[in-house]
Amino acid sequence: QSVLTQPPSASGTPGQSVTISCSGSTSNIGSNTVSWYQQLPGTAPKLLIYANHQRPSGVPDRFSGSKSGTSASLAISGLQSEDEAEYFCAAWDDGLNGPWVFGGGTKLTVL
Amino acid sequence: EVQLVESGGGLVKPGGSLRLSCAASGFTFKSYTMNWVRQAPGKGLEWVSSISSTGSYINYAASVKGRFTISRDNAKDSLFLEMNSLIFDDTAVYYCTKLFGSRLGMDVWGQGTTVSVSS
Repeated sequence: QSVLTQPPSASGTPGQSVTISCSGSTSNIGSNTVSWYQQLPGTAPKLLIYANHQRPSGVPDRFSGSKSGTSASLAISGLQSEDEAEYFCAAWDDGLNGPWVFGGGTKLTVL
Repeated sequence: EVQLVESGGGLVKPGGSLRLSCAASGFTFKSYTMNWVRQAPGKGLEWVSSISSTGSYINYAASVKGRFTISRDNAKDSLFLEMNSLIFDDTAVYYCTKLFGSRLGMDVWGQGTTVSVSS
């Protein structure tokens, strides 16, 4: 059971937009920033978003992040086949869970 | 090129031990907090342990506390994870990661090393 809650799956067709949610609590998302990771099949995770909405260099601006209260979201616009991957959210936790907690992951399927 | 390369994984019986290593290159290793994160087969990511840049601050997940020991050698740009009293639930791919900007995220990940605990 992951501390952060994500939907197990999401899907969309090429060109569409999709949003993945991440729900936490006051000890993690509510008081710290959120990062998002993309894990392509058979590879290590890659940092996609940090500090709620910042993109590392090289990450397309089709990927955007936001946070409100104890929840965060990852939005992907102009969906492409290569976006098919698992997406994880993470945050620092000030309570007994951490210090780092992750979501269970959302498997994105591009139909 | 910024890189982390893990090694040391393998098949071990319950109760056994393993020592994982992570070789860093392409960045000033001694300046960053480092972590171990694991992923059980078909499961999500689980933070395992963190060690500050100087080794002064160390944290462990409750699931490994008392059994795992994290350490680093800044002179050799290396991170380690000593794993004792291994149990079936420790079976996972173990990733070495670099922390970015205190609590902002993990910006560099190794390719992972697989630990299998089986009788």
